[in-house]
Amino acid sequence: DIQLTQSPSFLSASVGDRVTITCRASQGISSYLAWYQQKPGKAPKLLIYAASTLQSGVPSRFSGSGSGTEFTLTISSLQPEDFATYYCQQLNSYLFTFGPGTKVDIK
Amino acid sequence: QVQLQESGPGLVKPSETLSLTCTVSGGSISSYYWSWIRQPPGKGLEWIGYIYYSGSTNYNPSLKSRVTISVDTSKNQFSLKLSSVTAADTAVYYCARVSSYYDILTGYYHHYMDVWGKGTTVTVSS
Repeated sequence: DIQLTQSPSFLSASVGDRVTITCRASQGISSYLAWYQQKPGKAPKLLIYAASTLQSGVPSRFSGSGSGTEFTLTISSLQPEDFATYYCQQLNSYLFTFGPGTKVDIK
Repeated sequence: QVQLQESGPGLVKPSETLSLTCTVSGGSISSYYWSWIRQPPGKGLEWIGYIYYSGSTNYNPSLKSRVTISVDTSKNQFSLKLSSVTAADTAVYYCARVSSYYDILTGYYHHYMDVWGKGTTVTVSS
């Protein structure tokens, strides 16, 4: 089975900061990776799919990159509404694994 | 726009079967994959499995022996059954639509979960 790790697990940042979250796969998954944002008590929200394609309606400060085993989610200028937990998900095999999550908190 | 709504008992006794239904409104259940995901209290997301509208399924190996996902296209619904539950199955359960994007360069489909239900809390306790 393909395993995903995320780093960091937790990060503290300020409004306006550039934030980068890394997701690593235990084996190559081409670009079959999605990113989700989850706020407390809410369902996850799709941000990025196919590693770098921005979902409709998602602000352009969010971007994704990578292929193979290493991927990044970047928030170019952190906004107050971006404080949340972010999950990567691989959809390469027929098993859709999630990463453990990265919580972005206010510094 | 398409909306998903989970429904089912909020309390299930240990060793019994958890049963949830996801109702799709604002669109057809046809031509999509549909998935169940859960999130134990304070923990991350766990993919449970998915079903194609035609009925083909795939499950998380860690849950495969206890999970059944089915679809009823006439009701625009799909369902989850999880047998022999324990306290470890206590979680918020989400249903989601799996959309696909065809990459003409590679000839493969990219999948992603673009519509989610609000989630329903299921507690396993006697």
